[in-house]
Amino acid sequence: DVQMTQSPSSLSASVGDRVTITCRASQGINNHLAWFQQKPGKAPNSLIYAVSSLQSGVPSKFSGSGSGTDFTLTISSLQPEDFATYYCQQYNDYPLTFGGGTKVEIK
Amino acid sequence: EVQLVESGGGLVKPGESLRLSCAASGFTFTNACMTWFRQAPGKGLEWVGRIRSKTDGGAIDYAAPVKGRFTISRDDSINMLNLQVNSLETEDTAVYYCTTERRDSSSYFRVDYWGQGTLITVSS
Repeated sequence: DVQMTQSPSSLSASVGDRVTITCRASQGINNHLAWFQQKPGKAPNSLIYAVSSLQSGVPSKFSGSGSGTDFTLTISSLQPEDFATYYCQQYNDYPLTFGGGTKVEIK
Repeated sequence: EVQLVESGGGLVKPGESLRLSCAASGFTFTNACMTWFRQAPGKGLEWVGRIRSKTDGGAIDYAAPVKGRFTISRDDSINMLNLQVNSLETEDTAVYYCTTERRDSSSYFRVDYWGQGTLITVSS
């Protein structure tokens, strides 16, 4: 199975901060990498697919980058509604696998 | 507007069965690849399995922990996705989400929309 490792597992940030989350795959995944946002008690929401393509309706403050095995999600200016847990996922190979999540909390 | 509404969750004892359903609307269900994920309380996301559309071959794939116990099916006549879960174990306690998938530019399926989830609790 492809192991997805996210870091950090949690972070504290202030409104307006630029935040970067890292995701590393245990092997190459051909840029088949997605990011999801999940707020407490809610279903996940799709943010980004194919490393950097924004899901319809997702604001441009979210961006993704990377290649090979190393990827990042950046939130350019953190807003109150962005405090949530973020997951990366590879969809290159079965089983589809997720990173452990990064909880973004208010400082 | 895409809507996915799961139902059928509940409290069951180890070894028992349940049938989850996901009612889909707002898109062409017949052509859609559909996937189940789950999330144990306080834990991360886990892939359960996927069913392709009939036009895409209809293949069904399962995660190792559920293979042989869970069965994914679809009824395109009523836009319904199903997950039959048998021989439930305490480790199957989770919120179960159905999702739609669509092909990205390289024709790989990626998750598009999520349902709100339905909770299965397995406890004696």
